[in-house]
Amino acid sequence: DIQMTQSPSSVSASVGDRVTITCRASQYISNWLAWYQQKPGKAPTLLIYATSNLQSGVPSRFSGSGSGTHFTLTISGLQPEDFATYYCQQAKDFFFTFGGGTKVEIE
Amino acid sequence: QVQLVQSGAEVKKPGASVKVSCQASGYSFPTYYIHWVRQAPGQGLEWMGIVNPTRNSTTYEQKFQGRVTMTRDTSTTTVYMELSSLRSEDTAIYYCARGGLAEEIDYWGQGTLVTVSS
Repeated sequence: DIQMTQSPSSVSASVGDRVTITCRASQYISNWLAWYQQKPGKAPTLLIYATSNLQSGVPSRFSGSGSGTHFTLTISGLQPEDFATYYCQQAKDFFFTFGGGTKVEIE
Repeated sequence: QVQLVQSGAEVKKPGASVKVSCQASGYSFPTYYIHWVRQAPGQGLEWMGIVNPTRNSTTYEQKFQGRVTMTRDTSTTTVYMELSSLRSEDTAIYYCARGGLAEEIDYWGQGTLVTVSS
């Protein structure tokens, strides 16, 4: 099974900060990497798919990059509504795995 | 608009089975796979498996092999997930979600809380 390691597990930041979350795959996954945001008591929502493609309706302050085994999600200019938990997800060989999550908290 | 509407909360005893439904609407049902993902209280997301609505074929995470069955009914555009031999560790919110065309998960149901308790 492919393992997805996210870091950090939590980060404290202020409105306007730039936040970067990293996701590492235990094997090569090409660009089959997506990012999700989840707020307490809600289902996750898709932010980015295929490493760097912004889902329709998602603000442009969210961006994704990487390839192979190393991927990042960047939030440029953190907004109050961005305080949430973020998950990466890989999809290689039709088996899917989520990272452990990164909680973005108010500093 | 795409909607995935799940059945209501369940309380089950250890050793029992639970069957959760997920009715899809607002898109071409045969075109998109349906995933099942669960989330234990205070924990992260765990992928359970996927069903192809056209062929009714499935792929399950190895951890759930032998205990989970995912099926679909094309006449009602509903997908089902049945988990057997329940134990307390299966207490979680179970989500159905639509698989997008780039292996992402683009729409999620509202979640179904399954509580396993004696």
